[in-house]
Amino acid sequence: DAGITQSPRYKITETGRQVTLMCHQTWSHSYMFWYRQDLGHGLRLIYYSAAADITDKGEVPDGYVVSRSKTENFPLTLESATRSQTSVYFCASTGQGNNQPQHFGDGTRLSIL
Amino acid sequence: EDQVTQSPEALRLQEGESSSLNCSYTVSGLRGLFWYRQDPGKGPEFLFTLYSAGEEKEKERLKATLTKKESFLHITAPKPEDSATYLCAVSTSGTYKYIFGTGTRLKVLA
Repeated sequence: DAGITQSPRYKITETGRQVTLMCHQTWSHSYMFWYRQDLGHGLRLIYYSAAADITDKGEVPDGYVVSRSKTENFPLTLESATRSQTSVYFCASTGQGNNQPQHFGDGTRLSIL
Repeated sequence: EDQVTQSPEALRLQEGESSSLNCSYTVSGLRGLFWYRQDPGKGPEFLFTLYSAGEEKEKERLKATLTKKESFLHITAPKPEDSATYLCAVSTSGTYKYIFGTGTRLKVLA
């Protein structure tokens, strides 16, 4: 089915470990985004990508790494997880131009112990 | 600095009791204003896009309007299934980023 899928849906890990969150979209959208959602802060942009091999920092990029070797995939890696990175992570995509709405996956709930 | 503020933070309505949610924005060069619905454990679901002051969009019991400073999401005769968090976001010229408000949590009681 067409859409945007995130995996895993839930993840528990320990501080210091590396963890990768996956995002896959089937619309061939150019733009993809990673957000974290925390109570009281709303959605905050971590990284975004305008096309394959083009990425840029958002509001809260520290501690995160992204790559985009294929248009449809946009993985987010926490290189050395910290408790402050416990959050719900959402991936989104949109076609050309930011006058179009974003379409979101159902999120990954990440807990770091 | 570009900013989006939503009010109220939370709203409880009786079934059938109409009301409005507010999204105030301060941005330079608005390209679009977007309304989303978010259910617990789910990602935001797109509802409406508004592009210019005076524009209105409707879908079932929801109607979104836009002025130069704010947008309203009017809910007419709400039902319990309208309970959700409603998010507002804007996009601006010169960047591909979107700025989100913190949302309004709506609870409709039967």
